[in-house]
Amino acid sequence: SQKIEQNSEALNIQEGKTATLTCNYTNYSPAYLQWYRQDPGRGPVFLLLIRENEKEKRKERLKVTFDTTLKQSLFHITASQPADSATYLCALGDSWGKLQFGAGTQVVVTP
Amino acid sequence: SQTIHQWPATLVQPVGSPLSLECTVEGTSNPNLYWYRQAAGRGLQLLFYSVGIGQISSEVPQNLSASRPQDRQFILSSKKLLLSDSGFYLCAWSPAVVGHNQPQHFGDGTRLSIL
Repeated sequence: SQKIEQNSEALNIQEGKTATLTCNYTNYSPAYLQWYRQDPGRGPVFLLLIRENEKEKRKERLKVTFDTTLKQSLFHITASQPADSATYLCALGDSWGKLQFGAGTQVVVTP
Repeated sequence: SQTIHQWPATLVQPVGSPLSLECTVEGTSNPNLYWYRQAAGRGLQLLFYSVGIGQISSEVPQNLSASRPQDRQFILSSKKLLLSDSGFYLCAWSPAVVGHNQPQHFGDGTRLSIL
């Protein structure tokens, strides 16, 4: 069966450092991959989308890589700030527009 | 700009009671609409999605149902709630464009507790 794995342990990081999150998947050939941010009690907010034929995408302090051979995506937050503290979800999309989400990784940025 | 509204924000219901959660989207036409459920510490589970009025696809067999009576209105229902229906219910929309490589935009969810 299809499986998406994100590190279930919270990532504690000092302000100014780079946070790196991992999303691994098995038994899946996604057409694209998306990353979302979710704050407690709120709905997820879209951050970045990367397609299967793209290796890297950047948006301000965020960077996503997508390796379809390793079946892995890495999500980087550079120069992290306390306001970046949240849970980050990866989601794999099929050609029909449906998403399958990972359970998310909590990031805690301390001053 | 587009906005999505979900209500109520929280709901406490007894086992066996009916359910109706509503979601509306403003500022766009013919959106794809989705209902998800999120259990604590778990990923979002897609329950239903719709590409048009009256067109509903179910992803998970259960005692829930969905309807889309209007273009920008999506309703999640149950005739008799079970304890296992507790969770955080999220509605989302995405533009209906060719390729489907579109982000989804979420409402702020309904926290449903079954007693």
